[in-house]
Amino acid sequence: GEDVEQSLFLSVREGDSSVINCTYTDSSSTYLYWYKQEPGAGLQLLTYIFSNMDMKQDQRLTVLLNKKDKHLSLRIADTQTGDSAIYFCAESGGLGQAGTALIFGKGTTLSVSS
Amino acid sequence: DTEVTQTPKHLVMGMTNKKSLKCEQHMGHRAMYWYKQKAKKPPELMFVYSYEKLSINESVPSRFSPECPNSSLLNLHLHALQPEDSALYLCASSQGAGRYNEKLFFGSGTQLSVL
Repeated sequence: GEDVEQSLFLSVREGDSSVINCTYTDSSSTYLYWYKQEPGAGLQLLTYIFSNMDMKQDQRLTVLLNKKDKHLSLRIADTQTGDSAIYFCAESGGLGQAGTALIFGKGTTLSVSS
Repeated sequence: DTEVTQTPKHLVMGMTNKKSLKCEQHMGHRAMYWYKQKAKKPPELMFVYSYEKLSINESVPSRFSPECPNSSLLNLHLHALQPEDSALYLCASSQGAGRYNEKLFFGSGTQLSVL
């Protein structure tokens, strides 16, 4: 079945780069997403990538995809204390007309110290 | 406008109460979702509405009753809940065209405590 795995914790110093890793199992073409959740808040869509792409960059965020190893990473450049949050990796499973079922990883808690 | 609005933000209820959670979006999305999230866990899908019709029910107990009055609104009616139902309830919406690249937009959630 489909499964998404993430490391649970990452601690970095302000100004450093953060790299959050994720592996997925679905071998069919799919979209992969990164969501950010701050304490007491909902999920904010940060970025997404289609499984036939290798890389996507959006300001401080870089997503790298290794299709062979089914490995996805999110790099945050110049990490700030405001980046402290839980980051969820998710892959999509279409539901036909019903929308999209997201399969979430367990989330990586990023802690940024000043 | 990529906003999904949920009310109330916090809710405390007893096990005999009846309450409702509300969700609204004005992005023209035709798929709307209810997720349940326990602390430090990923969200779990509960229900999916597609074009105002219930299309997915992930074996959710009948004490949770969803309703989609129109394409912009989604409700979750709660009755006779148990303490283990305490969680963050998230609403989300997407275009609903069934393509794999549908982006889900989430509301801020309702933090529910059942006493």
